[in-house]
Amino acid sequence: GDSVTQMEGPVTLSEEAFLTINCTYTATGYPSLFWYVQYPGEGLQLLLKATKADDKGSNKGFEATYRKETTSFHLEKGSVQVSDSAVYFCALSDRGTGGFKTIFGAGTRLFVKA
Amino acid sequence: EAQVTQNPRYLITVTGKKLTVTCSQNMNHEYMSWYRQDPGLGLRQIYYSMNVEVTDKGDVPEGYKVSRKEKRNFPLILESPSPNQTSLYFCASSLEGGRNQPQHFGDGTRLSIL
Repeated sequence: GDSVTQMEGPVTLSEEAFLTINCTYTATGYPSLFWYVQYPGEGLQLLLKATKADDKGSNKGFEATYRKETTSFHLEKGSVQVSDSAVYFCALSDRGTGGFKTIFGAGTRLFVKA
Repeated sequence: EAQVTQNPRYLITVTGKKLTVTCSQNMNHEYMSWYRQDPGLGLRQIYYSMNVEVTDKGDVPEGYKVSRKEKRNFPLILESPSPNQTSLYFCASSLEGGRNQPQHFGDGTRLSIL
């Protein structure tokens, strides 16, 4: 079945450091790919998405490129801020047996120090 | 304000005592879904609904029931809760159940079953 694998956390960085969070997937179809962010005590919020190969999703300085050849969707940011501290989830959405299903990775917690 | 509202936010109860977690969205979304979030496992889908009166099992449906009598509401029912259902639960909705549709999440319900 479909699955999403993220790098384990926590990831601890200093402010203004470069961020990469790795995400790879397996899928039987042609999924859409998403990154969601979860701040403490809140639900998940969409950060960015990509719906086809070589698409680049971007938002708030974060970027991720849909790489079909390597089945990857790594999240990057050039200069992190303390306010970026959160849990980040990679996810795919594809057609299942009864409709469209979304599969989430385990999440990667990011701590950014001032 | 567009939102997904879950109630209660927190609940401590005992094994076997039936409970219902309500979920309501005000965005006229067709697709709704329930997830549970457990450490190291990310979010796992319990049930989803493509539209009114149309529901289907996700990856971990055992011990749960849902209903979709109205478009805006999608309650999650635990008929006989057990301690292994202690978890953080999220309701989500999207405009339709397509692969490109991001989901909007509620703030979560933390259930403790003693």
